[in-house]
Amino acid sequence: QVQLQESGPGLVKPSETLSLTCAVSGDSISGTTYNWGWIRQPPGEGLEWIGSMNYNGSPYYNPSLKRRATVSVDTSKNQLSLDLRSVTAADTAVYYCVRHHLGIAHFWGQGTLVTVSS
Amino acid sequence: QSVLTQPPSASGAPGQRVTISCSGTRSNIGSNTVNWYQQFPGAAPKLLIFANNQRPSGVPDRFSGSKSGTSASLAITGLQSDDEADYYCAAWDDSLNGPWVFGGGTKLTVL
Repeated sequence: QVQLQESGPGLVKPSETLSLTCAVSGDSISGTTYNWGWIRQPPGEGLEWIGSMNYNGSPYYNPSLKRRATVSVDTSKNQLSLDLRSVTAADTAVYYCVRHHLGIAHFWGQGTLVTVSS
Repeated sequence: QSVLTQPPSASGAPGQRVTISCSGTRSNIGSNTVNWYQQFPGAAPKLLIFANNQRPSGVPDRFSGSKSGTSASLAITGLQSDDEADYYCAAWDDSLNGPWVFGGGTKLTVL
């Protein structure tokens, strides 16, 4: 069974960089079938896709976050990472990592809440 | 402002049938398949319907999806109290909005 587990600081100061990792088990993040990505959900709001890594190792992003987001993988650790720069209070959200294929996400992590506050 | 448009709320009595709509454009729903996610409070979303009308293993056949043109619908028959949740539609988008876009979500209340 595929499992994803997000981790990272729960509190980030404004203007700093939010950094999260997602540990994957039950599948290889370097496989050639699925994409691995990040989705966030501000408190009480809807879902927003941030970015993903395709099976060729190329990242692609939500245009609205492209300038601030970096998605990367560490194949030796079977981990997915997200860096989101210059954060503001609007970046406060639960961040989920997902395994997906063309937007069909069968597997989600439990999510991690990140609060941006001084 | 979500790319796909859903009603913010829907409701129905136990046993009834309820539908949730999802409206998009030619670049998303009009060109690609639609997926639906169910989310309970405090939990991660769960894939409910994929490729317009396919159910993952374990999803009851009370849940069904359909698509026509640039709109899609999720139907739930035999409504149960356990169905009370938020429902999100999503699709791939071929325009500069994408590629992965979501609806704003619909909160389903079982009366």
